Amino acid sequence: AQKVTQAQTEISVVEKEDVTLDCVYETRDTTYYLFWYKQPPSGELVFLIRRNSFDEQNEISGRYSWNFQKSTSSFNFTITASQVVDSAVYFCALSTNTGNQFYFGTGTSLTVIP
Amino acid sequence: DSGVTQTPKHLITATGQRVTLRCSPRSGDLSVYWYQQSLDQGLQFLIQYYNGEERAKGNILERFSAQQFPDLHSELNLSSLELGDSALYFCASSPDGHQQETQYFGPGTRLLVL
Repeated sequence: AQKVTQAQTEISVVEKEDVTLDCVYETRDTTYYLFWYKQPPSGELVFLIRRNSFDEQNEISGRYSWNFQKSTSSFNFTITASQVVDSAVYFCALSTNTGNQFYFGTGTSLTVIP
Repeated sequence: DSGVTQTPKHLITATGQRVTLRCSPRSGDLSVYWYQQSLDQGLQFLIQYYNGEERAKGNILERFSAQQFPDLHSELNLSSLELGDSALYFCASSPDGHQQETQYFGPGTRLLVL
């Protein structure tokens, strides 16, 4: 069975602090893809990143970075020097060879306090 | 802007009624997905279409149906509406509907059943 767990329901940080959002996934497939999406208060889902199971290289995009570790089945997301505009709900998702759907975590609501 | 459009943005209706939600995928994308986001269930995959044919089915109720037309736009029909159907309904699209592809989401239709 496929499953994504985002144990952190809500996180609050003060502006300019770093914050890490955790994502743990479960799958028996050897080929799979992991995604992060951002849902700001306006409601739309914005794609942030995609990683495949064969590429464990960490990725950095501006203030955003992602740490993928197969050994712990985790795909964590770090925001450096957080800003108020980062306030949103962040979803981690998993896609595998079993079915053609995304399995979403329950999301982490991040509030950045000015 | 993801390039996926959804109409209407908001919909208020009464229990027992039927509504139709419409989605146009990104230019060039052949696959469309429907998701339901509610407070208690989170983001749930409903159904996927590829080039007019149903490809995958998730947690879609029998009261709900969908189709994808030759021009690739899709409609989600919700009938015999219940209070619990109140949710944000997202459409997403991808080029070929494969599990490794990023799904780009529309802005959603917010349905309120009174």
